[in-house]
Amino acid sequence: DAGVIQSPRHEVTEMGQEVTLRCKPISGHNSLFWYRQTMMRGLELLIYFNNNVPIDDSGMPEDRFSAKMPNASFSTLKIQPSEPRDSAVYFCASSLEPNYGYTFGSGTRLTVV
Amino acid sequence: RKEVEQDPGPFNVPEGATVAFNCTYSNSASQSFFWYRQDCRKEPKLLMSVYSSGNEDGRFTAQLNRASQYISLLIRDSKLSDSATYLCVVLSGGYQKVTFGTGTKLQVIP
Repeated sequence: DAGVIQSPRHEVTEMGQEVTLRCKPISGHNSLFWYRQTMMRGLELLIYFNNNVPIDDSGMPEDRFSAKMPNASFSTLKIQPSEPRDSAVYFCASSLEPNYGYTFGSGTRLTVV
Repeated sequence: RKEVEQDPGPFNVPEGATVAFNCTYSNSASQSFFWYRQDCRKEPKLLMSVYSSGNEDGRFTAQLNRASQYISLLIRDSKLSDSATYLCVVLSGGYQKVTFGTGTKLQVIP
């Protein structure tokens, strides 16, 4: 089991550029979550997919953020245009059932300069 | 009031000590509870679920108090390797609303 795989591990980009973060959940898991973590705000849920369908995107900060899950094995989180305040660690997590807990990927550390 | 609250710490304890953390939640209809552990610059990892009757896993004991709306984590015989941030997680809304606490930092000192 390769776990949840995220790419890239680190991303440094200039303000205004488009950023795309990628996630491959654990095979067989039907729920996928995107989180953002900062020192100030802790872990924040951005969006939650169940069976590839977005269930709750109330945590997505604004229209600059978008997420897709075209199939059960791949999801993207896009920020366009990026801003310095988007700098954070972005985690993807998947679960078989939410009641069983979640497995997190190693995260993408995003720095927008 | 925050949905899930934790004392950020840090809790500095000597090796071998017993330490306990609490986590309070505001939604009385919350259904499931977990403790996660997060090491510095790493992803959170599931430590244990919290069952209504309480549960134990080695040196770790988790308990749920629904009347007072809090969960607790007790660590006995602390090891240096227990140093980490401990996050509580609360599920509500038919398991579709997931809320993480901001974490409690534990530092075990030699």
